[in-house]
Amino acid sequence: EAGVVQSPRYKIIEKKQPVAFWCNPISGHNTLYWYLQNLGQGPELLIRYENEEAVDDSQLPKDRFSAERLKGVDSTLKIQPAELGDSAVYLCASSRAGYNEQFFGPGTRLTVL
Amino acid sequence: RKEVEQDPGPFNVPEGATVAFNCTYSNSASQSFFWYRQDCRKEPKLLMSVYSSGNEDGRFTAQLNRASQYISLLIRDSKLSDSATYLCVVNTGGFKTIFGAGTRLFVKA
Repeated sequence: EAGVVQSPRYKIIEKKQPVAFWCNPISGHNTLYWYLQNLGQGPELLIRYENEEAVDDSQLPKDRFSAERLKGVDSTLKIQPAELGDSAVYLCASSRAGYNEQFFGPGTRLTVL
Repeated sequence: RKEVEQDPGPFNVPEGATVAFNCTYSNSASQSFFWYRQDCRKEPKLLMSVYSSGNEDGRFTAQLNRASQYISLLIRDSKLSDSATYLCVVNTGGFKTIFGAGTRLFVKA
């Protein structure tokens, strides 16, 4: 069974530029999560989807961050414009409906210069 | 106060040692609890769930104390390969998941 796939793995951009991250969850996993992880910290939830519905986006900075999960499978997280403080690892995770165990992708390491 | 707090460490222990990590949580309505392991520059992976009755998986034992609102992880007979960051994870209901900042463990030969 393939794991959670994320791309790109690394991204370097200048501040004020837009950036997008893509995630393909494990097949059959209805729940998809986007997390942000800073060095030395645990993952912090940005948004959670149940199928195509965003059920928890309370921690998503909506002035510059947006996300979508069309058709309830793949998801894209976008930042526009990026700021220096957005440098972090962006992790995508998925889980089966009704199950707590989350499976993480390898993450996208973003550097904003 | 953070919702989930862990001692950041690092814990430096020799091979074969027993080491214990604690984690406290603030929401008394929290429903489920987990330990995840994260290797350097890798993604977190589930190590074990934590049940009220406690549970054991080989050299690893997890305990939950709801009255005091903490969970623990005990590693016996530490191996070099146990070196990692251990993340305490709490679900507060409705699948709202909160990760602790992690405790770093270094096991030395």
